[in-house]
Amino acid sequence: SQQGEEDPQALSIQEGENATMNCSYKTSINNLQWYRQNSGRGLVHLILIRSNEREKHSGRLRVTLDTSKKSSSLLITASRAADTASYFCATDAAGGSYIPTFGRGTSLIVHP
Amino acid sequence: EAQVTQNPRYLITVTGKKLTVTCSQNMNHEYMSWYRQDPGLGLRQIYYSMNVEVTDKGDVPEGYKVSRKEKRNFPLILESPSPNQTSLYFCASSSTGALNGYTFGSGTRLTVV
Repeated sequence: SQQGEEDPQALSIQEGENATMNCSYKTSINNLQWYRQNSGRGLVHLILIRSNEREKHSGRLRVTLDTSKKSSSLLITASRAADTASYFCATDAAGGSYIPTFGRGTSLIVHP
Repeated sequence: EAQVTQNPRYLITVTGKKLTVTCSQNMNHEYMSWYRQDPGLGLRQIYYSMNVEVTDKGDVPEGYKVSRKEKRNFPLILESPSPNQTSLYFCASSSTGALNGYTFGSGTRLTVV
């Protein structure tokens, strides 16, 4: 069953604005990951945050994790047209197989 | 170059004709997994493998088989494909399960008519 659910399903912004996507999940996790997918292509791993971490940065990406609310957010600052893609969160259940399960994704469009 | 290679990229076949989608990784990864992606449903896991000769069902295993005889290869077998298996398929691998993130193949777009 799908563990993570992203919100919103679709997001449309102008270049230079920040984009925020959220992910909620149902059961305790070992870690949470964010991936990016350009149309019809394979997913690319962006960032992993462990269950004992609260925030992590990578370039223009900032990920937060709130285990009490079972939610995470991905912030892309100063977005560019090239950031247009679908973004997925993936979680692996604590005590599970360490095989991630994915949500349905957020489709981000950045207008130049 | 470290990569996951899937073949073929595109495939159109007829109902009932057995097919195999190959997946190979050159990173000595223990974990490998197959997903299908359908509009509005995101990625759903079909089967995964935690090492050679160790495979397990994911969320949507019906109609599929896998094998893991060698570490690098993880083929997906459709013994009798049906139109509801028309989808975009991805193979992925990782060295320590989810801890380092998965490397994905480029995908196989399968159409069953």
